[in-house]
Amino acid sequence: GENVEQHPSTLSVQEGDSAVIKCTYSDSASNYFPWYKQELGKGPQLIIDIRSNVGEKKDQRIAVTLNKTAKHFSLHITETQPEDSAVYFCAASGYGASYDKVIFGPGTSLSVIP
Amino acid sequence: EPEVTQTPSHQVTQMGQEVILRCVPISNHLYFYWYRQILGQKVEFLVSFYNNEISEKSEIFDDQFSVERPDGSNFTLKIRSTKLEDSAMYFCASSLARSTDTQYFGPGTRLTVL
Repeated sequence: GENVEQHPSTLSVQEGDSAVIKCTYSDSASNYFPWYKQELGKGPQLIIDIRSNVGEKKDQRIAVTLNKTAKHFSLHITETQPEDSAVYFCAASGYGASYDKVIFGPGTSLSVIP
Repeated sequence: EPEVTQTPSHQVTQMGQEVILRCVPISNHLYFYWYRQILGQKVEFLVSFYNNEISEKSEIFDDQFSVERPDGSNFTLKIRSTKLEDSAMYFCASSLARSTDTQYFGPGTRLTVL
């Protein structure tokens, strides 16, 4: 089935710096890649997503890139703020083994130090 | 903004007891899901549900689990005879369309089996 790997598992950055989280997926049939932010005690909240017909997408301080050939996708957060501190999950969905479900990566715990 | 709600927020039960976790998906959504997250681990897919039947389930979703949409608004997950290893956060999600449509997650129910 689909397997999503994510690195790093923990990340600490100074406020104002950028943070980058990288993911890989195994099933070439996956074509939808959401990113979720999970704050302590809460459910995953979608922050941005990208579909396979697009290589890059940006929303204010957040951007995602997708390399379908290499099966890599990344989350970039610029000008980080303390409220960005949370666990971030990349995920894959679409056809093939990830049909009708979202397959999550193991998560990255991001700490933004004021 | 519409959101997925879940009750209760925390459920404590004795091993062997039955529990029912409740969810109210976003009102115009047609696809419903349950996921679980064991403490410190990734979010795992359990089951997807559409048109009053299960469309996909994982190997975790064995005969002890069942789902139901008893009326036009609620979506429930029943665990017939709870085990210690069922202790986890359980998240309900819903989406308007299938597979590559965004899934919106509820805040979760923390299930503790003693």
